[in-house]
Amino acid sequence: NAGVMQNPRHLVRRRGQEARLRCSPMKGHSHVYWYRQLPEEGLKFMVYLQKENIIDESGMPKERFSAEFPKEGPSILRIQQVVRGDSAAYFCASSPQGNEQYFGPGTRLTVT
Amino acid sequence: GENVEQHPSTLSVQEGDSAVIKCTYSDSASNYFPWYKQELGKRPQLIIDIRSNVGEKKDQRIAVTLNKTAKHFSLHITETQPEDSAVYFCAASIGSSASKIIFGSGTRLSIRP
Repeated sequence: NAGVMQNPRHLVRRRGQEARLRCSPMKGHSHVYWYRQLPEEGLKFMVYLQKENIIDESGMPKERFSAEFPKEGPSILRIQQVVRGDSAAYFCASSPQGNEQYFGPGTRLTVT
Repeated sequence: GENVEQHPSTLSVQEGDSAVIKCTYSDSASNYFPWYKQELGKRPQLIIDIRSNVGEKKDQRIAVTLNKTAKHFSLHITETQPEDSAVYFCAASIGSSASKIIFGSGTRLSIRP
């Protein structure tokens, strides 16, 4: 059973561009979470999704950020018009029933 | 709002000694408490978790204790080894559904040879 997959692992974007981060949950997992981690800091919850539904997006910035988990394909975290402050590691986690969360390797976003 | 506090932020112990990390939570409905280990540049890994219906759980050199009355829980690592060096995060579920968890700020554990 493959673990949680994220791609790309590293992403460099210029200010104003769009960043798309992908997450494929573990097989059989229908719950997906996105977290953001700044260097030397903890994991900040962003959004919780189930297939085709956003369950909780209380940690998402109101503008420029969006997430989806379509019926087919990976979950996508989209950041429009990136700014330097968006530079961080973005981790996705998946869960079979909304309890134990297993993390992917993360996408390290650098905005230049 | 819901909050998880973790102490200490850094901890250095001699190899072979024990390490203890403590967390407190604010949501009295929390019923699921996982611990994650994150090595430098790697993903957080679930190392042990406990649910509110038990007070203690052990897995080899790792144990977690839970005091629901006081709303605090702790991670104990015995006979520490160099590979235990990492950042450890505690977390607590929000409400009784356990579908969303909030993380503590992390403890950087260093094992001195």
